[in-house]
Formats: sequence, C-alpha cells, structure tokens
Amino acid sequence: AQSVTQLDSHVSVSEGTPVLLRCNYSSSYSPSLFWYVQHPNKGLQLLLKYTSAATLVKGINGFEAEFKKSETSFHLTKPSAHMSDAAEYFCVVSDLTNDYKLSFGAGTTVTVRA
Amino acid sequence: NAGVTQTPKFQVLKTGQSMTLQCAQDMNHNSMYWYRQDPGMGLRLIYYSASEGTTDKGEVPNGYNVSRLNKREFSLRLESAAPSQTSVYFCASSEALGRTYNEQFFGPGTRLTVL
Repeated sequence: AQSVTQLDSHVSVSEGTPVLLRCNYSSSYSPSLFWYVQHPNKGLQLLLKYTSAATLVKGINGFEAEFKKSETSFHLTKPSAHMSDAAEYFCVVSDLTNDYKLSFGAGTTVTVRA
Repeated sequence: NAGVTQTPKFQVLKTGQSMTLQCAQDMNHNSMYWYRQDPGMGLRLIYYSASEGTTDKGEVPNGYNVSRLNKREFSLRLESAAPSQTSVYFCASSEALGRTYNEQFFGPGTRLTVL
C-alpha cells in the first residue's frame, strides 16, 4: 500500500532564507508524487508533480522537488522564502495499487518570519 | 472557468440533523472525489466517483452518502450528523481516475461544525 510521511509538522524560516520540507514515501510500484499548498482558509493548489521525465521537478512560485528513488524521498525546496509562502504543504503519492487515488501526508505548516 | 465550486462555505448543524454538500466542476472531468480534512491528518477520501453513474467508498465512508447527479455534479449527504463529522470538506475532480500523473483540482472547501 502507498503512504507518505512528512517529517516535520511545522517549519519556521526567516524571509529570504531557504525552505526545506521533507517527504518520504512508500510505494510498491512506480509512484506519482505531488506537492500541494493550502493557504489559510483556502482550497488546495498544485505546486508541482513528478512525471518521471526528470528527477528534479520545478513548480510554481520558485519551488522545486527532487525525486530520489534510492532514498524514497521527494523533498520540497525553495531558495528564498517570501512572506506569501506561509501556508500548509502536503506531500501526496499515488500508484497503480490504489488505482492512482491520492494518499496525503499529514501536512507541514510553514511560518515565515519578517 | 470557475473550476470546482462548493456550497455552502460554512455550516453549523445540531447533532442528528441532515444536510447535503454540493459540488460542481466545469472542466469536463470524468472523476470526482469528496475528502475531509482534520488537523494533523491530511485529507482522507470519503467517497469517489470514477465516472458518471458510478460511486465507490473511500477510506472513511461511514455516516455519509453520495450522489453523482450528472457529469458536472457530485453531492455529499450527512443523514444524521454527529460531532465527529465536524471537519472541513473538500470536493475535487480529475480527468480520469486510474491515469498516472493525473492531478486533482480542489474546491474551496465547506467548513462544517456539528454541535
């Protein structure tokens, strides 16, 4: 069965410093991997998705993630945090064993300090 | 395009009351989903509809029913609300369940409180 573990429930960074959100996944087959962002009282928006074309995936708003099969990880990074990055971030996995339905991590809340 | 829309945005119910959450999408997607979001648990799938005319249980279906009214609309019904159903409910849609890299598009959510 597929599953996702987000290693940090809360991350606090200063504006202008790098952001790292860690995600490990479990999947028996070649997984599809996504990062979604949820701003306060809003719905979920797709940041990026892993499509197997490249292990380094670039998304919106300067975010990127690297798929590492040997480490079963899909960590999300951004070189320089903005105040607008304060939100909750979800790592999501899907694979053939579950007909590509999504399995969500518990989420990481990002706080950005001025 | 409005994408995925949900009504109502907020609702307060008393224990035992019933209500229906409405969802509609204008992207001509085949598949639609209902999730609930609780603190520290991510989103959990309640029910889904792979295509018009079909519905299936997800991870947490107890206490809920669904109707795929047509290709655009997918409603979620609470027949007898319980405090444990206090949550934020999200509807989502995708081109077709079963396709790889098939992203889902989410509505703004319904915040439900059951007293």
